[in-house]
Amino acid sequence: DAGITQSPRHKVTETGTPVTLRCHQTENHRYMYWYRQDPGHGLRLIHYSYGVKDTDKGEVSDGYSVSRSKTEDFLLTLESATSSQTSVYFCAIGRGAYGYTFGSGTRLTVV
Amino acid sequence: GESVGLHLPTLSVQEGDNSIINCAYSNSASDYFIWYKQESGKGPQFIIDIRSNMDKRQGQRVTVLLNKTVKHLSLQIAATQPGDSAVYFCAEPRNNAGGTSYGKLTFGQGTILTVHP
Repeated sequence: DAGITQSPRHKVTETGTPVTLRCHQTENHRYMYWYRQDPGHGLRLIHYSYGVKDTDKGEVSDGYSVSRSKTEDFLLTLESATSSQTSVYFCAIGRGAYGYTFGSGTRLTVV
Repeated sequence: GESVGLHLPTLSVQEGDNSIINCAYSNSASDYFIWYKQESGKGPQFIIDIRSNMDKRQGQRVTVLLNKTVKHLSLQIAATQPGDSAVYFCAEPRNNAGGTSYGKLTFGQGTILTVHP
């Protein structure tokens, strides 16, 4: 999607390894979000940011950390990947009341 | 806890028919609702929103209806086309304990819409 890119698009990693997913935006949005999407659970919020170095936990934050050192980048880190973190991860920018713009997603498989 | 949910997980229609996708919500304090469309392999896309002070809002071939009495909203798609095949989500604000959402949304489970030519 224009203005927001996620990398990598696909990743396979081994259990216990650290993994970092990147979300990059060119829209200068203050708000950024990380969601995971799993069958039967829909989209669930992991972490969000409301400014540079301002982040907070969502509903499924255990095992994840985030960082936002500049407006355009929001990083999601799995400190020690587990099979339960196999999922599709979406980054979003914007503000709920005006609609998010989502990235294309990162498909992560933990083996 | 508060949640947003859907009545029907799947919906199959013929091309040209009208489609109706339903959503029930439980947070009567939500002041807006949004519908998203997600095509296979892509991120969700904003379709239309509605504020709680409205009963109906129309877009291009889509209409959202809000019934606050029974806490229900629906997305109507007119003259459904094969390109409308996707998963449709409703979403509402997700507030912190202090009542601030920071723009966060809670999403329903989604309805799979399949349009047959």
